[in-house]
Amino acid sequence: AQSVTQLDSHVSVSEGTPVLLRCNYSSSYSPSLFWYVQHPNKGLQLLLKYTSAATLVKGINGFEAEFKKSETSFHLTKPSAHMSDAAEYFCVVSVEYSSYKLIFGSGTRLLVRP
Amino acid sequence: GAVVSQHPSWVICKSGTSVKIECRSLDFQATTMFWYRQFPKQSLMLMATSNEGSKATYEQGVEKDKFLINHASLTLSTLTVTSAHPEDSSFYICSARDQSGGSYEQYFGPGTRLTVT
Repeated sequence: AQSVTQLDSHVSVSEGTPVLLRCNYSSSYSPSLFWYVQHPNKGLQLLLKYTSAATLVKGINGFEAEFKKSETSFHLTKPSAHMSDAAEYFCVVSVEYSSYKLIFGSGTRLLVRP
Repeated sequence: GAVVSQHPSWVICKSGTSVKIECRSLDFQATTMFWYRQFPKQSLMLMATSNEGSKATYEQGVEKDKFLINHASLTLSTLTVTSAHPEDSSFYICSARDQSGGSYEQYFGPGTRLTVT
């Protein structure tokens, strides 16, 4: 069965410093992986997705993630945090052969200190 | 871009009553929609997969008689919480799969907050 594990429930960074949100996946085949962001009282927004093309995926708002099969990881990074990045981030895996339903990780709350 | 709406955005109902939540894909057709439930400060849990013109597929542990799903058209799926109880209070989110162009990308609605008193 497919699953994702987000290794940190909370991450706190200072504005202007790098962001690293960690995600490990488990899948018996080459998965499709996503990062979504959820701001308070707003809907989920897709940051980026990996679908077996380039292993380094660039997303919106300066975020990127690298798919590493040997480490079964898909960590999300950003060179310089902005106050507006404070939100909940979800690492997600798509379940193929099952209507492409999504399995969400437990989430990482990113706090950005001024 | 693809937009998914939900109605209502929030609802308060009394214990024992039923509540219907609508999920609409506004600018694309969706043969498949998904319903999720999110408890405060927790992740999204998939409840069911809604297929246009056929019965929904429920995840293990989700009561299909309690959470009725109807996907009557290519742009509308509804979730009815029957005989609601306070433990059903939660944030319900739908998503719709856009199959045009073969992307199969899912777009999420803004969610509906249900409070049962």
